[in-house]
Amino acid sequence: AQTVTQSQPEMSVQEAETVTLSCTYDTSESNYYLFWYKQPPSRQMILVIRQEAYKQQNATENRFSVNFQKAAKSFSLKISDSQLGDTAMYFCAFIPSGTYKYIFGTGTRLKVLA
Amino acid sequence: EAQVTQNPRYLITVTGKKLTVTCSQNMNHEYMSWYRQDPGLGLRQIYYSMNVEVTDKGDVPEGYKVSRKEKRNFPLILESPSPNQTSLYFCASSLSTGGKRTQYFGPGTRLLVL
Repeated sequence: AQTVTQSQPEMSVQEAETVTLSCTYDTSESNYYLFWYKQPPSRQMILVIRQEAYKQQNATENRFSVNFQKAAKSFSLKISDSQLGDTAMYFCAFIPSGTYKYIFGTGTRLKVLA
Repeated sequence: EAQVTQNPRYLITVTGKKLTVTCSQNMNHEYMSWYRQDPGLGLRQIYYSMNVEVTDKGDVPEGYKVSRKEKRNFPLILESPSPNQTSLYFCASSLSTGGKRTQYFGPGTRLLVL
């Protein structure tokens, strides 16, 4: 079965510091798409960053970047210069390219401290 | 504005009373999906649809029905709701192929079944 594991249920970080959220996944597929979604207290699901498995270069979106290690099946999210507005639940997800079933992790609750 | 809408946003009902949660998207996406979110379990896929009149089960389809008669709409039907279906429900849509498998989520529907 294809799975996504987020081993850190909760994390906290001081404002302006850097934090890394871990995500590992299990699949036998060679091509797939990986995502990090943010869910603030409003409950809205917001895309943070996306990575295509066939691209070796790690994706970056402003203060958010990923460390994609395909062989290790690892897809961690780094948040630099953390801001209070980054306080949210973060979900890792992936979908093999030839399928229609998205698989989500159980989430990491991040709290940014002033 | 490109968006996914869900109605109602909040619903309290009683066991056995049929209900429908509507979902609509204005992005001409082929793919639509329903998820439920429960504490500690992340998002779990209920049903998905690859295109009009094409649907398939996700990981937790029991007790739910869907239909896709129009491209923009994908309602979720609970024919006989039970308390274990109390949850936060999300509808999402995306393109089916190519590099842009990013899902866009609706605002969520919080359902309480008494």
